Amino acid sequence: DAGITQSPRYKITETGRQVTLMCHQTWSHSYMFWYRQDLGHGLRLIYYSAAADITDKGEVPDGYVVSRSKTENFPLTLESATRSQTSVYFCASRDRAGNQPQHFGDGTRLSIL
Amino acid sequence: AQSVTQLDSHVSVSEGTPVLLRCNYSSSYSPSLFWYVQHPNKGLQLLLKYTSAATLVKGINGFEAEFKKSETSFHLTKPSAHMSDAAEYFCVVSDVASYDKVIFGPGTSLSVIP
Repeated sequence: DAGITQSPRYKITETGRQVTLMCHQTWSHSYMFWYRQDLGHGLRLIYYSAAADITDKGEVPDGYVVSRSKTENFPLTLESATRSQTSVYFCASRDRAGNQPQHFGDGTRLSIL
Repeated sequence: AQSVTQLDSHVSVSEGTPVLLRCNYSSSYSPSLFWYVQHPNKGLQLLLKYTSAATLVKGINGFEAEFKKSETSFHLTKPSAHMSDAAEYFCVVSDVASYDKVIFGPGTSLSVIP
């Protein structure tokens, strides 16, 4: 089925570990986004990508790395996880046309112990 | 600069009564406006969008919103609340100055009382 898929849905890891969250979309949307959602902060943009091999920082990029070698995939890596990165992470995609809505995955709930 | 204000952090209604979730925005250009709903442990689902066509926009599940430029508002309404409407609702704005990124409101939690 067409859509946007995030994996894993749940992840528990320890501080200092590297962890990668996966995002795959089947629409061939140009834009992809990573957000984190925390109580009291709403949704905050971590990184986004306008096309393959083009990425840019959002509001809270520190401690995260992204890549976009293929249009359909946009993985997010926490190089050395910290407890402050415990959050729910959402991936989204959007068509190139600027006034189109973003479409969201179901999220990854990440706990860092 | 863009901004979004959702005037109520929490709204509680009885089942079968009308729903009103308020949103005000600020934009230097003609904005695109969206309402999303988020059910527990789910991603955000698009309810409706305004992109400079008709000012009264109809969405899914009986929701609608009216764009009022003079009031810089985009309030979400539904004539009759259903238990399944209990969720978090986000108002979102984007404009030509920053289509790469959108601005999310802080969210309004809707409770529906049986």
